[in-house]
Amino acid sequence: NAGVTQTPKFRVLKTGQSMTLLCAQDMNHEYMYWYRQDPGMGLRLIHYSVGEGTTAKGEVPDGYNVSRLKKQNFLLGLESAAPSQTSVYFCASSYRWREQYFGPGTRLTVT
Amino acid sequence: SQQGEEDPQALSIQEGENATMNCSYKTSINNLQWYRQNSGRGLVHLILIRSNEREKHSGRLRVTLDTSKKSSSLLITASRAADTASYFCATEGDSNYQLIWGAGTKLIIKP
Repeated sequence: NAGVTQTPKFRVLKTGQSMTLLCAQDMNHEYMYWYRQDPGMGLRLIHYSVGEGTTAKGEVPDGYNVSRLKKQNFLLGLESAAPSQTSVYFCASSYRWREQYFGPGTRLTVT
Repeated sequence: SQQGEEDPQALSIQEGENATMNCSYKTSINNLQWYRQNSGRGLVHLILIRSNEREKHSGRLRVTLDTSKKSSSLLITASRAADTASYFCATEGDSNYQLIWGAGTKLIIKP
């Protein structure tokens, strides 16, 4: 039981490049989330999903897109990376409104 | 927008002492959760307290909730070096899908 895994762990992008972050969970959770964490701040929700094939915007969705084609996977895409998207990205999953389980994070730097 | 605000922002105590950190929030909630984040890692759920509960215990952790003051406290008794981490509160309000996070309290336990 791996829990929540994230790929990649680190990435450096140049402004304008695109990339996709992959999150996978093996707990059969319905809800999945993408957050970003910046220094001195709490987590900010980017997008979330309450089930396969459904996604919704969170607090800071601009510049990001997501897809949930399979229940166990939640993808976060950056179409044209900007320096303001330099951050640590966390994926989480939960069974409905209970506690969230987090992945180890992806540290992204955009130069 | 961040609903939870932790206080203090940083706390440094000697091993064996008790550590207390507080969380205040702004709107009505269904539940409040506390999470721990070790440096460079994902968050780990510690405890969830529902809006109709006033106190909850889990091992060396004690959480209180005062909905009239819109505040919660996390007490860690007999602190250990391994308790060094950042602690976050998160509130769940009207939406069952989203948690609103505070900026965290950084706890350092000195040996």
